[in-house]
Amino acid sequence: EAGVTQFPSHSVIEKGQTVTLRCDPISGHDNLYWYRRVMGKEIKFLLHFVKESKQDESGMPNNRFLAERTGGTYSTLKVQPAELEDSGVYFCASSQVDYGYTFGSGTRLTVV
Amino acid sequence: SQQGEEDPQALSIQEGENATMNCSYKTSINNLQWYRQNSGRGLVHLILIRSNEREKHSGRLRVTLDTSKKSSSLLITASRAADTASYFCATVPTGTYKYIFGTGTRLKVLA
Repeated sequence: EAGVTQFPSHSVIEKGQTVTLRCDPISGHDNLYWYRRVMGKEIKFLLHFVKESKQDESGMPNNRFLAERTGGTYSTLKVQPAELEDSGVYFCASSQVDYGYTFGSGTRLTVV
Repeated sequence: SQQGEEDPQALSIQEGENATMNCSYKTSINNLQWYRQNSGRGLVHLILIRSNEREKHSGRLRVTLDTSKKSSSLLITASRAADTASYFCATVPTGTYKYIFGTGTRLKVLA
């Protein structure tokens, strides 16, 4: 089966611009998660979808971040407007049960 | 406070040597996993050890888990330059679904 796909793999944008990251989970996985690692620090949870519903968005840093999951399939994470501190690697994962994630290869976001 | 904390934060060794990284956590867990992240790239799953297991091997990797001490170690034997990366432990606290990652150990293997 295909794995979790994220794109773009790398995005370089200017401060103040908007960027949208996309994650395609493994087909049939109801659970979809976003994590990020910024500035070489620890990897932190952002949010969790069950199908199209946000189950837990406690890790979203502020209202510049908006996540959606259309029809319970792919998910997007929009950052608007992007700030320098948003630079990092954004990971998406999916799972069928509550654990046993499969991670995507990540999107490296650079805000200049 | 951080659920998972690795030590050391950074480790530099010569090729062929063994590298040991430790991870401590705070709550009871279902399982503990180790991941590798090469410079700015994706997370690669290395190994999973369940809470009822004490030791697990996979190739040059050996993981131990001590639930009484809430700690785990990752041993990489006969290290190679390609092992240079950041290594993270991730736990799933019992009754939850979130992966809690540690702060990571930056391993540098010198050729």
